[in-house]
Order: sequence, then structure tokens, then C-alpha cells
Amino acid sequence: GQQLNQSPQSMFIQEGEDVSMNCTSSSIFNTWLWYKQDPGEGPVLLIALYKAGELTSNGRLTAQFGTTRKDSFLNISASIPSDVGIYFCAGQLVYNQGGKLIFGQGTELSVKP
Amino acid sequence: DGGITQSPKYLFRKEGQNVTLSCEQNLNHDAMYWYRQDPGQGLRLIYYSQIVNDFQKGDIAEGYSVSREKKESFPLTVTSAQKNPTAFYLCASIRSRSTESFFGQGNRLTVV
Repeated sequence: GQQLNQSPQSMFIQEGEDVSMNCTSSSIFNTWLWYKQDPGEGPVLLIALYKAGELTSNGRLTAQFGTTRKDSFLNISASIPSDVGIYFCAGQLVYNQGGKLIFGQGTELSVKP
Repeated sequence: DGGITQSPKYLFRKEGQNVTLSCEQNLNHDAMYWYRQDPGQGLRLIYYSQIVNDFQKGDIAEGYSVSREKKESFPLTVTSAQKNPTAFYLCASIRSRSTESFFGQGNRLTVV
């Protein structure tokens, strides 16, 4: 089935460092979303992107919708220990199939104090 | 408060037994989804439903069944035909024509 290619799979960084992760697809999506999952919990929506080229921020998080509509990027600036978790990208066809979400494999982030 | 509830958090079953995972939402969302999460594999779609009394197979539907008799409820049955049922199961709901999405806290199913 469809799945997005998300990289890197894991990151080990020092507190205060910036983080970048990306997601690519062979299919075009009209919406890209980024989620964070804490251990043993369900994912929580961080940022939603609605049009190609869009750049959106949520605090220290910034995400971009690629101009080809087949990729997206998430940056976290000045990381802190509570940023630890798994970050998922998801592509969505908002007007098709009930807005089905297709997920990447996740990026597991570890932050060393 | 509106939300989506999965219970119980942890389930244990013997091999060969069916088990039903509940998912209830009071967000008035039309679409509901079941995903399976395994380490390193992200979230894989099992089944989804856009409206009551209708549902579609996702990418890994074999060995699972669902029903959607009420808008608020979308239970998933893990049958004995599922060859590797031990996993973390996540239910989600999405408002139609929107990115508004919520996940439940998940069910961790262990089959022994």
C-alpha cells in the first residue's frame, strides 16, 4: 500500500541543537500534516500545510509543503528534552476517501540534556 | 470535553481467540480509521469508514473486521485469522473535508 518515505529514521541530538526531517512521496497530496507521538500515546497534530510552497510555524517548529506537492519538511529549532518522541509526516487527500491519511515510517528523536 | 476513546489500554488474549477493540468519539466526525503500529513501520491503515454503515479496507485488512452501526463508534475485531496480531492499535477520527484529526490513546494488544 501507499506509504511515504520519511528520513532520518532516528536522531540523537544535544539539547539546543536544531533538527530537520523530511518526507517524500511518489504521489501528490493536497495536504501535508506533521504529528508527534509520545511513548505509548496516540499521535497529536502539530502542523497542517494546505498549499504548495507554504511555510508554517508553530512555536519552535517550522514545516514546509514542497512545491512539487510530493514532499514536506519539518524543522525544530533549539531542541529541548520534551521534544523527545516519534514524529510522523502524513499526506492527506482531503476531498477523497474520507480524508484518508497516509503516514511515513516516523523519525524517532532523542535529545540529550 | 470532546474526544476519542479507546479502551482498555492493554489487552491480553490467547492465540486463536477473537478480540474486539472499541473506539468511541463524541466529536461528530464522519470519518473514522483504524491503524496498526509496529516498531519502525509507522502507521498502517487497516480499515476506514466515511459514513455510518459503510467501510473500506485499508492496506492490511486481512484478519480484521469492523462495523459502523453508529457515527460515534467504530469497533475493530482482531480475528484468529490474523497471523501476527500483537501490536499497538490506534483509532482516529477526521472531520469531513478537513485536516481536523484526533487519535485515541491506543490499544496495546498482546496475544500469547
